[in-house]
Amino acid sequence: DAMVIQNPRYQVTQFGKPVTLSCSQTLNHNVMYWYQQKSSQAPKLLFHYYDKDFNNEADTPDNFQSRRPNTSFCFLDIRSPGLGDTAMYLCATSRDFPGGQNEQFFGPGTRLTVL
Amino acid sequence: AQTVTQSQPEMSVQEAETVTLSCTYDTSESDYYLFWYKQPPSRQMILVIRQEAYKQQNATENRFSVNFQKAAKSFSLKISDSQLGDAAMYFCATNFGNEKLTFGTGTRLTIIP
Repeated sequence: DAMVIQNPRYQVTQFGKPVTLSCSQTLNHNVMYWYQQKSSQAPKLLFHYYDKDFNNEADTPDNFQSRRPNTSFCFLDIRSPGLGDTAMYLCATSRDFPGGQNEQFFGPGTRLTVL
Repeated sequence: AQTVTQSQPEMSVQEAETVTLSCTYDTSESDYYLFWYKQPPSRQMILVIRQEAYKQQNATENRFSVNFQKAAKSFSLKISDSQLGDAAMYFCATNFGNEKLTFGTGTRLTIIP
């Protein structure tokens, strides 16, 4: 089945220790997104890739970086995690085209805990 | 500013009954899509239903239907014959004509057996 896969599902890291979260997709979608979701809140868009073009949200901290080496994979790097970065991180994909509906397909998320 | 508002942080409904979740939005765009997403306690977000803004007809997917009022910028979700598996956070969202989604703050739906 075509899907969005996130690894790991759970990640515990120490304050200041870099961490990388991964996302892969078999949908061949051209847009990939990273969201941060804290408990009982709506997902907050961090950035997205439209094909190879990186689009950062204005309020995303510099501590958060992303890489998309190919269509299928996208990584979220947190260079120096703080306690406030404890959250669920959601990856999503969509196939964008003019007039398209931009329905997003979400992965199961990675629950990150910073100690 | 383009915003999505869900005014009901929590709702509850008896099993087999009908419940309506509210959503309003504000945009100057004329062509956009509206979505309701469901996020069960396991946390994977899944699409429940979508509505194209240029279509007058309200979308329906089995027990889920929407009441789309474009002039009022309102997009409510009706769940008929509620089931225990419907318990989740429900997010209203719109793309405002581009590739990004703007989400509402969510409504937590509880099903009472």
